[in-house]
Amino acid sequence: DTEVTQTPKHLVMGMTNKKSLKCEQHMGHRAMYWYKQKAKKPPELMFVYSYEKLSINESVPSRFSPECPNSSLLNLHLHALQPEDSALYLCASSQDGIASGQETQYFGPGTRLLVL
Amino acid sequence: AQKITQTQPGMFVQEKEAVTLDCTYDTSDPSYGLFWYKQPSSGEMIFLIYQGSYDQQNATEGRYSLNFQKARKSANLVISASQLGDSAMYFCARFNGGATNKLIFGTGTLLAVQP
Repeated sequence: DTEVTQTPKHLVMGMTNKKSLKCEQHMGHRAMYWYKQKAKKPPELMFVYSYEKLSINESVPSRFSPECPNSSLLNLHLHALQPEDSALYLCASSQDGIASGQETQYFGPGTRLLVL
Repeated sequence: AQKITQTQPGMFVQEKEAVTLDCTYDTSDPSYGLFWYKQPSSGEMIFLIYQGSYDQQNATEGRYSLNFQKARKSANLVISASQLGDSAMYFCARFNGGATNKLIFGTGTLLAVQP
């Protein structure tokens, strides 16, 4: 089973709202990722968690706050977003995030976020 | 950052024909992996195929195969017997190298399969 689930599928929020995106995997993976993808562009890495510890933060603004409560769950807390943050947010997981260069990442269906 | 190049922004193919999507990459690493993902309009990134740099044979997965030419640093995806459901964006990707597990994507190729 290579399933990664994400909720919600769609989210509309105002610039003063606080919301959260949720990602879950049951493949026993120990690395989880958040990507942001603008229309007609490739995904861009935001955060990496490996063994529930934040290992990479790609200089993401603090209005995005990741959380990894356990090895199966990954959240992205959103606060005071800007309209330019509107995008598809993809979650992924892989075996353990060790930089072997050969670890397949499996993606969820994404959350389409619109900030008004 | 090590670069992935996909030179075909868009391609058409007739149903049941084969199509090749190009991918070239930079690297100074002796060991690396290359990946292809499919992204339909629904948004999900679907893993298709993986090629390791030390693999002796080109990877194959059903109708997908990889034409891996290590010396030329190219890893082209071949889709045989195209189906209407193959219409999607296709991304080539590899890790950025170093002590991170950061996946770098090419700009993608939008494939349209025509009946």
